[in-house]
Amino acid sequence: GQQLNQSPQSMFIQEGEDVSMNCTSSSIFNTWLWYKQDPGEGPVLLIALYKAGELTSNGRLTAQFGITRKDSFLNISASIPSDVGIYFCACYPYSGAGSYQLTFGKGTKLSVIP
Amino acid sequence: DTEVTQTPKHLVMGMTNKKSLKCEQHMGHRAMYWYKQKAKKPPELMFVYSYEKLSINESVPSRFSPECPNSSLLNLHLHALQPEDSALYLCASSRSGKNYRQGRGAGTEAFFGQGTRLTVV
Repeated sequence: GQQLNQSPQSMFIQEGEDVSMNCTSSSIFNTWLWYKQDPGEGPVLLIALYKAGELTSNGRLTAQFGITRKDSFLNISASIPSDVGIYFCACYPYSGAGSYQLTFGKGTKLSVIP
Repeated sequence: DTEVTQTPKHLVMGMTNKKSLKCEQHMGHRAMYWYKQKAKKPPELMFVYSYEKLSINESVPSRFSPECPNSSLLNLHLHALQPEDSALYLCASSRSGKNYRQGRGAGTEAFFGQGTRLTVV
């Protein structure tokens, strides 16, 4: 099945620094989603990307859908303590009628040092 | 409103118990899902309902039994679970089962509930 390679696995950064994480795959995807999950809670949707090359912002967050449809990145600017959590990329396969499987990356654990 | 509500938030059950997890959404979404998440792992898909019909069962053991009474509700009935079934169980929904199937465009994004932390003793 499709696999998403998400990196880095974990990050320790100083408050105020910018953060960048990405997901790559050998498969083509139609939609890229970025979620944030706090401990013991469900994932919260941050950004959804639908078209190759699309660049979308949500406050301090910016994400892009790679032109090859095989990758996406998420940037967080001027990090703050509440950015701490696990960030997941997720997407659906490009083709396959009846395919409902949302594939997740393994996550990037972000720690922010005040 | 992008809220998916799950109850209970925590559940401890014995291996001989029968319990149910509940999920509710009022966004008019026609696709609903159950995921299982172990510690430090991404969510794993268990079941998908589209227009109240079971579309996908990811080879989940029969001790997990899903039910979709109507388009707003999704249940997961639990019976004779094992300690290794302890995990965070997540419910999710998306706007359109058709768009979800085709995996393109707005409407395919899934919204998750806060999860039920299940402990089997």
